[in-house]
Amino acid sequence: SQELEQSPQSLIVQEGKNLTINCTSSKTLYGLYWYKQKYGEGLIFLMMLQKGGEEKSHEKITAKLDEKKQQSSLHITASQPSHAGIYLCGAAASGNTGKLIFGQGTTLQVKP
Amino acid sequence: DTEVTQTPKHLVMGMTNKKSLKCEQHMGHRAMYWYKQKAKKPPELMFVYSYEKLSINESVPSRFSPECPNSSLLNLHLHALQPEDSALYLCASSLEDSLGSPLHFGNGTRLTVT
Repeated sequence: SQELEQSPQSLIVQEGKNLTINCTSSKTLYGLYWYKQKYGEGLIFLMMLQKGGEEKSHEKITAKLDEKKQQSSLHITASQPSHAGIYLCGAAASGNTGKLIFGQGTTLQVKP
Repeated sequence: DTEVTQTPKHLVMGMTNKKSLKCEQHMGHRAMYWYKQKAKKPPELMFVYSYEKLSINESVPSRFSPECPNSSLLNLHLHALQPEDSALYLCASSLEDSLGSPLHFGNGTRLTVT
């Protein structure tokens, strides 16, 4: 079965610093989704990547999917306290389905 | 604000109780999902409904019974739960149950079984 490994597990950065979170798959990714979750709340959809080499940005967050479609990165530029939370990568479990499996998550703290 | 609404936000129930979790969306999505999330763990899929029909049951115990009365509503009926079933239950919807349709999540119901 497919597994997603995220690194680092947790991250503490000073406000204004850049950071990167990685998500690595044991198999080729059909689709890769990034979500953010605040403790005890639902997941907020950030971005979806499907093509090898694809890169998407929204405000200060950029996500990339490598050419081999087995690794994705999420980069935050000039972090702010509002970026704090748990970042989860999710992938389609198989083929053409919306069924997602998730990585273990990366907890981000941003110190003012 | 999420466009997927879950009620109640919190629920405490005894092991002999029967209760239901409710989920509603008005985005015209035709796929709806139940996920279970334990503390400090990622969400785990329980059920998928596609066009109001159950398409995936991830070997969930029968004490959890899903229902999709129409394309906008999804229920999860609970009966004779165990304390280890305490968790955050998340509902999600997507345009279709297909690649390229991102899931939109509700804020969840925090369930405590005593």
